[in-house]
Amino acid sequence: DGGITQSPKYLFRKEGQNVTLSCEQNLNHDAMYWYRQDPGQGLRLIYYSQIVNDFQKGDIAEGYSVSREKKESFPLTVTSAQKNPTAFYLCASSTRPSAPEAFFGQGTRLTVV
Amino acid sequence: KNQVEQSPQSLIILEGKNCTLQCNYTVSPFSNLRWYKQDTGRGPVSLTIMTFSENTKSNGRYTATLDADTKQSSLHITASQLSDSASYICVVTGVLRSNDYKLSFGAGTTVTVRA
Repeated sequence: DGGITQSPKYLFRKEGQNVTLSCEQNLNHDAMYWYRQDPGQGLRLIYYSQIVNDFQKGDIAEGYSVSREKKESFPLTVTSAQKNPTAFYLCASSTRPSAPEAFFGQGTRLTVV
Repeated sequence: KNQVEQSPQSLIILEGKNCTLQCNYTVSPFSNLRWYKQDTGRGPVSLTIMTFSENTKSNGRYTATLDADTKQSSLHITASQLSDSASYICVVTGVLRSNDYKLSFGAGTTVTVRA
């Protein structure tokens, strides 16, 4: 059935390592987004992509990188430059860049050990 | 300052009781307002969506209201069930320019329903 799949559900990272979070959707959505969620705060936009091979920085892009080589996939890499990476990461997609409706994945909890 | 403020931050209610969550926003121009339910450790799921011309929308035991003049919205949960225990997030879509939107998220209200 259709939806957005994030993997893994839990991820542990050592200091100084890069890690990549996966986000795949089979909804045929053009736009995809990555958000970070911290306790007591609203979701904050990291990166978004409105079309294949194009992406834009969000409000908190420093220390993160993305790629959009396929319409279905929008992986997020948390680099060692991100000083406080422990958080809950949510991927979302929407039918078209102008559509405000967004569907969310189940999230990945990243913990630095 | 966050453009979407939710209150209360958390609340505890007994099963079967009603409760109301508040969302005040300053986002302008405004396209629509949505309420999401987020279970612990899961992604948000949309409950209701309202444009500026709508002032109420229901989804089962959930009823959302919107006053676009005062920039306030509420989510009313009727006859609460244990499964209603979750975080409820208010999301406001602002219009940056033609075909360019930005979502602003509230911090959420954590609802705990106790038997």
